[in-house]
Amino acid sequence: DTGVSQDPRHKITKRGQNVTFRCDPISEHNRLYWYRQTLGQGPEFLTYFQNEAQLEKSRLLSDRFSAERPKGSFSTLEIQRTEQGDSAMYLCASSLVRQATYEQYFGPGTRLTVT
Amino acid sequence: GENVEQHPSTLSVQEGDSAVIKCTYSDSASNYFPWYKQELGKRPQLIIDIRSNVGEKKDQRIAVTLNKTAKHFSLHITETQPEDSAVYFCAASLDAGNMLTFGGGTRLMVKP
Repeated sequence: DTGVSQDPRHKITKRGQNVTFRCDPISEHNRLYWYRQTLGQGPEFLTYFQNEAQLEKSRLLSDRFSAERPKGSFSTLEIQRTEQGDSAMYLCASSLVRQATYEQYFGPGTRLTVT
Repeated sequence: GENVEQHPSTLSVQEGDSAVIKCTYSDSASNYFPWYKQELGKRPQLIIDIRSNVGEKKDQRIAVTLNKTAKHFSLHITETQPEDSAVYFCAASLDAGNMLTFGGGTRLMVKP
């Protein structure tokens, strides 16, 4: 499968615990995006990277959220001290900005449940 | 920031009929408008997109129209089929490759 992959696909955690999600973009895609999707809503932008540089992080929901893309390939999204309101689907997407279409390809998502 | 509103939230049509979904956006600087289809439990997939220098774009049974003056754009699906049943999201962005602001989604149900 050469598409965007995310791991884990499901995560159940207790309130107060830290969680980390991983996203592997399509090979050679230079932009990587994180979105959050709650039930019945459209995806909500969180942050994105151009290679290893984080271009926008003001939309991260709180200072408990952080993301990295240390070598410009895979990315991680960490949520510290999880709260029940963090329960959602976390989607990753990637794109190749050099191409004319710039399409964002989405991964299957990580579903987080905070109990 | 950008705000995208989408209507209707649910749409039920008979197989073979047409379906129209409408979106409005707030930021006149937005120039890229993609539409995504999300089937139950699956990832969003791009079905068509349009840039602000184009008023209409077609791809087989799917078409998108854009009115920049009124800041609204629409998705048109003709000859609907049961496999078109899904949630459709519109989005807006300053340019392709930038962050997307999504509408709330439209659940389309095509009855055979």
